[in-house]
Amino acid sequence: DTGVSQNPRHKITKRGQNVTFRCDPISEHNRLYWYRQTLGQGPEFLTYFQNEAQLEKSRLLSDRFSAERPKGSFSTLEIQRTEQGDSAMYLCASSFRLGLQGTGELFFGEGSRLTVL
Amino acid sequence: GESVGLHLPTLSVQEGDNSIINCAYSNSASDYFIWYKQESGKGPQFIIDIRSNMDKRQGQRVTVLLNKTVKHLSLQIAATQPGDSAVYFCAENIRGSNYKLTFGKGTLLTVNP
Repeated sequence: DTGVSQNPRHKITKRGQNVTFRCDPISEHNRLYWYRQTLGQGPEFLTYFQNEAQLEKSRLLSDRFSAERPKGSFSTLEIQRTEQGDSAMYLCASSFRLGLQGTGELFFGEGSRLTVL
Repeated sequence: GESVGLHLPTLSVQEGDNSIINCAYSNSASDYFIWYKQESGKGPQFIIDIRSNMDKRQGQRVTVLLNKTVKHLSLQIAATQPGDSAVYFCAENIRGSNYKLTFGKGTLLTVNP
């Protein structure tokens, strides 16, 4: 399977615990995005990377959230001291864009569903 | 407690009918639009895209229409099948935002056999 891979697919945790999600993008893609989706809503942008550089972060990304893409390949999203309001589906997407090359299409993974009790 | 229940616009059609899903956008600087399909428990799946210099684009059984004058986008699905049942999102790229797509609320399409 050469699509975007995310794990774990499901995570149940207690409030106050830390969680980490991993995303493996399509191998030739230089851009990687994290989105959050709650029930009945469309995905909301959190942050994005071009290669290893984190170029933009949404206001939604509080200080408890941190994302990395250390070698420009896989990425991790860590949530510290989880709160019940963090319960959502965390989606990763990747794309290739270099100058005018590539489309704007984002290829999404299946998501990591977080439930905070 | 956590709120439950969907508050999506819904569209219910009979198998074989054509479906039209609508989307309004507000930013005149949007230059690229994508329709995604999302089945329950899965990530969004690309259906079709269109750039702002076009007003129509066709794919297999799907057509996207763009009316920039009224900032309206539609997705037409021909001969709708039960497998088309899903939530459909339109997403827009605002020029200069590095394809940080902004998603609409979504429409739940139910196809009755």
